[in-house]
Amino acid sequence: GAVVSQHPSWVICKSGTSVKIECRSLDFQATTMFWYRQFPKQSLMLMATSNEGSKATYEQGVEKDKFLINHASLTLSTLTVTSAHPEDSSFYICSARIPGGGNQPQHFGDGTRLSIL
Amino acid sequence: GQNIDQPTEMTATEGAIVQINCTYQTSGFNGLFWYQQHAGEAPTFLSYNVLDGLEEKGRFSSFLSRSKGYSYLLLKELQMKDSASYLCAALDSNYQLIWGAGTKLIIKP
Repeated sequence: GAVVSQHPSWVICKSGTSVKIECRSLDFQATTMFWYRQFPKQSLMLMATSNEGSKATYEQGVEKDKFLINHASLTLSTLTVTSAHPEDSSFYICSARIPGGGNQPQHFGDGTRLSIL
Repeated sequence: GQNIDQPTEMTATEGAIVQINCTYQTSGFNGLFWYQQHAGEAPTFLSYNVLDGLEEKGRFSSFLSRSKGYSYLLLKELQMKDSASYLCAALDSNYQLIWGAGTKLIIKP
């Protein structure tokens, strides 16, 4: 149980392109999902918390107009990197917390490796 | 401020036992998680402790001392596949996860 699917796994595209990443909870409903970014050999950095039916909460320093988050249903959250540039190249990972309270573990998708040329 | 400290890197031998320590300082506390992350992959959940004591789960055990702000992950009968980063994360009073930088564990034959 508690499977989170993330798609696509790899994206390589030209500078200026917008890229959409999907995160789905396959066997549970997730009112809260999280988006992280991880640079090589560094720890996870929380970008934003995605709440179903409301606006995402962004961490300090994360541009909300650059990283658009939509959580339109209880099983799907999307992250769109708009007008991506080489410095946006990173490993993006989503997670979802299973229902039952804030102390439930987050379960992660497999991540999306984004490379901007 | 909120802070998680864990060693950057540890080395151990196949078949041996290793203990990865984590100390935390958070605004309130609602439990501590350990995750395993293999290189190039997403983290996978290992354990959750909210009460003092040792929780055993197969070859992996996790310990918590709330009064000391301290936890450790104990890995027994180490296997080569245990080579990974181990992330400690504490849940604060707002149920926000505060992540450590991770401990890279290298297993040698």
